[in-house]
Amino acid sequence: KQEVTQIPAALSVPEGENLVLNCSFTDSAIYNLQWFRQDPGKGLTSLLLIQSSQREQTSGRLNASLDKSSGRSTLYIAASQPGDSATYLCAVEQETSGSRLTFGEGTQLTVNP
Amino acid sequence: EAGVAQSPRYKIIEKRQSVAFWCNPISGHATLYWYQQILGQGPKLLIQFQNNGVVDDSQLPKDRFSAERLKGVDSTLKIQPAKLEDSAVYLCASSLLRGVLDYGYTFGSGTRLTVV
Repeated sequence: KQEVTQIPAALSVPEGENLVLNCSFTDSAIYNLQWFRQDPGKGLTSLLLIQSSQREQTSGRLNASLDKSSGRSTLYIAASQPGDSATYLCAVEQETSGSRLTFGEGTQLTVNP
Repeated sequence: EAGVAQSPRYKIIEKRQSVAFWCNPISGHATLYWYQQILGQGPKLLIQFQNNGVVDDSQLPKDRFSAERLKGVDSTLKIQPAKLEDSAVYLCASSLLRGVLDYGYTFGSGTRLTVV
């Protein structure tokens, strides 16, 4: 059974700081890994999707890496802004068992002005 | 393109009552999902449809939860009777078929259910 763990559970940083969120998973037979953002009371917004054959994806100030063999992914946020404050969720999709996503519990990020 | 629509946004009911949630996926998305997100946790899949058929309902509490997807488009999720532990956000999502270009999930804003 796939298990996804995110560290840290919460993070508070001053504006402008570069930061790294970590995600680990127990079963490396994944189809892809996705990072989502969730604002309070809102649904999930997809940030980056990394296919199992890829090592990283970039979008603006966000960079996500994937090390499938070691079961790890990181989300790097450059020059953080108060608007980045949200909960960040990591989710993996298995090669088999349909397209179900298994989520971590998230990292709650606060960027202070 | 329009996003995934869900209603209602909020619902408060007493335990043992019934409740229903509605979802309209993105046009052309063959796959529809219902996830349950308990406060402080990541979402957990309840049921996955591909067109009209159920692909995965292994984590759906079938004694009280039911779902249907009519004509392969809209879907409803029902809870009857509700328990206190059903208090959560119910998220609907849709996607194209795996392997298709632009494959990926789109989530709706969710329905926040409080059972008192």
